[in-house]
Amino acid sequence: DSGVTQTPKHLITATGQRVTLRCSPRSGDLSVYWYQQSLDQGLQFLIQYYNGEERAKGNILERFSAQQFPDLHSELNLSSLELGDSALYFCASSVEGDRGRGGYTFGSGTRLTVV
Amino acid sequence: AQSVAQPEDQVNVAEGNPLTVKCTYSVSGNPYLFWYVQYPNRGLQFLLKYITGDNLVKGSYGFEAEFNKSQTSFHLKKPSALVSDSALYFCAVRDTTTSGTYKYIFGTGTRLKVLA
Repeated sequence: DSGVTQTPKHLITATGQRVTLRCSPRSGDLSVYWYQQSLDQGLQFLIQYYNGEERAKGNILERFSAQQFPDLHSELNLSSLELGDSALYFCASSVEGDRGRGGYTFGSGTRLTVV
Repeated sequence: AQSVAQPEDQVNVAEGNPLTVKCTYSVSGNPYLFWYVQYPNRGLQFLLKYITGDNLVKGSYGFEAEFNKSQTSFHLKKPSALVSDSALYFCAVRDTTTSGTYKYIFGTGTRLKVLA
């Protein structure tokens, strides 16, 4: 157990639907990062939050949004789902704040399948 | 922007032989480099990092990586491969976002297969 908890582990949904992925960072970690892993795109950075505030955006579609709550857990919302959104979605929290020196701790991911 | 490249999609090595997984980087300024391993149906696990200091970095599970500034490389190595080392390996570099914070850029991954 890495200390980063992601739920659900698996999700199957239909095109056009909306889903919410949840992440609880390691105790004490203030930063949360979301990544999408697909076969053809590799690991793509989506978005970062630090202590409740959005800090950086990557290749995140407008149909996707995220937030970090006061208890530091984060949710990634995916709407108007398309077949191409099928992927593994990882959440990570950082060891040393958001200075990027210490490495990430990853959750085990949520496998989203859009049918 | 910073980037890393992993030129090999797959590396096969016999158990007991030394292994090398290659990574080259392109950065402006001092590089912060990382290696992660991903086992099937699992998240990525941190192996080691280079921030500054000795060019040979030792990490988890007997892995080490050699930072070579002149060749802009950060190859992952292990003297004697185990079948249990078979996994997907990612090289990553720290990048600065437009808001001045940091994120990691990952390579495309190299699948290591250790044959018994």
